Amino acid sequence: QQPVQSPQAVILREGEDAVINCSSSKALYSVHWYRQKHGEAPVFLMILLKGGEQKGHEKISASFNEKKQQSSLYLTASQLSYSGTYFCGTETYGGSQGNLIFGKGTKLSVKP
Amino acid sequence: DAGVIQSPRHEVTEMGQEVTLRCKPISGHNSLFWYRQTMMRGLELLIYFNNNVPIDDSGMPEDRFSAKMPNASFSTLKIQPSEPRDSAVYFCASRPGTGRSQTQYFGPGTRLLVL
Repeated sequence: QQPVQSPQAVILREGEDAVINCSSSKALYSVHWYRQKHGEAPVFLMILLKGGEQKGHEKISASFNEKKQQSSLYLTASQLSYSGTYFCGTETYGGSQGNLIFGKGTKLSVKP
Repeated sequence: DAGVIQSPRHEVTEMGQEVTLRCKPISGHNSLFWYRQTMMRGLELLIYFNNNVPIDDSGMPEDRFSAKMPNASFSTLKIQPSEPRDSAVYFCASRPGTGRSQTQYFGPGTRLLVL
């Protein structure tokens, strides 16, 4: 039931782009994306509610493909501050309302 | 506005001791979640409350774990007796409503080390 995130880790140079994927075996109601820096709490980035919805936050955007039960997070022109671990939290139709099941995370390292 | 507040931030204890973690949700939020984070298992939901009532505690590892929410502004997670495998970061999160698609806001976490 836990969503699968890929890749597990990625290393970028400043200015490069990255894509993080989140796939579920269950039908998804919504997908929530969080970023966690080392030793800190997860911080909310964005929520995607509808199939096909796309959202943006600075140079970070995401899409939600309801049919494929997956979401992707796009980081463009990465900055050093983007380093951290990115988690997707999925809310399924069959699950308790508002419960999120988190993937194991994707560790992103941006180098100068 | 103050975010979710957790205490203590760090706890070191010996096996067999009782541990109590505390959480104060964001004022006005109606749902509260307790998570445990480890390298091996990631972020796991332990229990959550809606309007101070426990809704789903299926993630609580075993009877050694218990959680209470006596009022809208305070919750505790207790481990008795503690074991080394309980070492982890414990997060509390709250959200405004009880329905779907509500954003959860995490506290800073409590780092627990059981020796």
